[in-house]
Amino acid sequence: AQSVSQHNHHVILSEAASLELGCNYSYGGTVNLFWYVQYPGQHLQLLLKYFSGDPLVKGIKGFEAEFIKSKFSFNLRKPSVQWSDTAEYFCAVNGQGGKLIFGQGTELSVKP
Amino acid sequence: GAVVSQHPSWVICKSGTSVKIECRSLDFQATTMFWYRQFPKQSLMLMATSNEGSKATYEQGVEKDKFLINHASLTLSTLTVTSAHPEDSSFYICSARAGGGAYNEQFFGPGTRLTVL
Repeated sequence: AQSVSQHNHHVILSEAASLELGCNYSYGGTVNLFWYVQYPGQHLQLLLKYFSGDPLVKGIKGFEAEFIKSKFSFNLRKPSVQWSDTAEYFCAVNGQGGKLIFGQGTELSVKP
Repeated sequence: GAVVSQHPSWVICKSGTSVKIECRSLDFQATTMFWYRQFPKQSLMLMATSNEGSKATYEQGVEKDKFLINHASLTLSTLTVTSAHPEDSSFYICSARAGGGAYNEQFFGPGTRLTVL
């Protein structure tokens, strides 16, 4: 069965700290991977996506993610977080028929 | 960018009544829309895939007679929660996929908070 696992439920960081959120997936076919962000009271927005090519993907707002096929991972990183990055982050894989399968989500709290 | 709206943004209803939620793609045509349910502090669970002009495809465990989906046009899909009960209280989110490709990007609506008393 297809699944996505996010290791961290809640991460608390101070501003300027580096961020890495873990994401592992289980899917036997060709994968398309996504990171979405949900700011408080707002709708889901796409941060970045991987379809093919360079496994290091750069997204909006200084985020990047690395697809490591051998580890079935797609971790999200940011070198220096800001208070405005406080949000819920979801990793997702595009499964059969294009359905999105989401991880459990990671709540990021950045202290000013 | 592509915009998806939902109406209403929140609704409170009495147990036993039905509630309709609309999902519209405002500036693009969407042959496929998806309906998700999100519980507090949890992930989005896909409920069903809605295809314009055909019956929706429901995920395992989702009652099709309770959650009626209609995708009457390329810009509108509706979800009707019939005979709602308190356990149906949740955050319902739709997304719309631009174009016909199965792996085209999905754009999400802002969600509808349903509270059943």
